[in-house]
Amino acid sequence: NAGVMQNPRHLVRRRGQEARLRCSPMKGHSHVYWYRQLPEEGLKFMVYLQKENIIDESGMPKERFSAEFPKEGPSILRIQQVVRGDSAAYFCASSPGGVGLGYTFGSGTRLTVV
Amino acid sequence: QKEVEQDPGPLSVPEGAIVSLNCTYSNSAFQYFMWYRQYSRKGPELLMYTYSSGNKEDGRFTAQVDKSSKYISLFIRDSQPSDSATYLCAFTGANSKLTFGKGITLSVRP
Repeated sequence: NAGVMQNPRHLVRRRGQEARLRCSPMKGHSHVYWYRQLPEEGLKFMVYLQKENIIDESGMPKERFSAEFPKEGPSILRIQQVVRGDSAAYFCASSPGGVGLGYTFGSGTRLTVV
Repeated sequence: QKEVEQDPGPLSVPEGAIVSLNCTYSNSAFQYFMWYRQYSRKGPELLMYTYSSGNKEDGRFTAQVDKSSKYISLFIRDSQPSDSATYLCAFTGANSKLTFGKGITLSVRP
């Protein structure tokens, strides 16, 4: 069991470019969550998805950010027109059920906007 | 008032020391109380969880919850250099979201 796989591990983008972060959940897990960890801040919830559905996106910034979890393939967190303030570690977690226990986190994608 | 407050760090202790990490929370809807450990450049991993007031032990680790005071603690006995990491308290209620503290970085000196 490979665990939650995130790629790339590191991503550098210039201001105004798009960033695409990918997350493959653990085998058998159908619930995916994205969290962001800003410097000197704790992890903040962004979005909760099941296959082809966004369940809770209350933590997503209103503009430029979107997420999907298609029927086939990994979950994608997309950030359009990146700004320096988007530089952070983005963590994906998966779970077999929709409760707060049983999360397994990936190792994260570190986004740097230059 | 912030939903979760965690004692700031960093914290440096000698090997073998007892470590006490603390968080307070304000949201009465929280039902599960967790501690995560995060090594540098890694994702958080669940260390312990509990859902009731009182103590829960797992080896050298004890999680303590006081719901009346909205206060949780993690105690580490006989701390080891391998315990050096960032420790995050986390909370969840009926939904799936976790609410985290900011984390405290612990360094255990050999």
